Amino acid sequence: NAGVTQTPKFRILKIGQSMTLQCAQDMNHNYMYWYRQDPGMGLKLIYYSVGAGITDKGEVPNGYNVSRSTTEDFPLRLELAAPSQTSVYFCASSRRALTDTGELFFGEGSRLTVL
Amino acid sequence: TQLLEQSPQFLSIQEGENLTVYCNSSSVFSSLQWYRQEPGEGPVLLVTVVTGGEVKKLKRLTFQFGDARKDSSLHITAAQPGDTGLYLCAGNGSSNTGKLIFGQGTTLQVKP
Repeated sequence: NAGVTQTPKFRILKIGQSMTLQCAQDMNHNYMYWYRQDPGMGLKLIYYSVGAGITDKGEVPNGYNVSRSTTEDFPLRLELAAPSQTSVYFCASSRRALTDTGELFFGEGSRLTVL
Repeated sequence: TQLLEQSPQFLSIQEGENLTVYCNSSSVFSSLQWYRQEPGEGPVLLVTVVTGGEVKKLKRLTFQFGDARKDSSLHITAAQPGDTGLYLCAGNGSSNTGKLIFGQGTTLQVKP
């Protein structure tokens, strides 16, 4: 099994451009998450989903949008990219709800630079 | 807002030394997890602790959850270069919303 797959791994955007970070998991997990990681700041939750058709905001949702049309895919859309969105983005999934001490399985990350 | 503070932020030691990383908060957590992240990869779960005072061992790594469930520690005995990486603690808040709160991480470098 591939686990959680993210594409692209690297991307440079100009200010104001838009793009979509793709995330797919083949573990049949209902729960999926998008985090961003900035140096010295840990991981911040952007959006999460508890199943197909259901999404909710995390700590830092501004400037991002998500959709969850299938169990497998959870794309993250950046509209009007800004330098503050320069970061490493991680997609994760879990079989159980984190309220049940579920384990997060992470992708390898997508490094985004906005110039 | 619940916060997790990790210390130290950076640690550089020689192979064979022991070390302890701390994860502290003023808030109670229903559970706490430790992840390790290597460069260019996503974090990987090491352990989950749930009960106050719980101690778990994973080979040379010992994890402890504080009695009051507000803090945790990770102790590595006889560190090896393969232990090099970023160690992250993550807590499930007392409101049990399922949203993990991550500490800022501890970067460990073990030199041969």
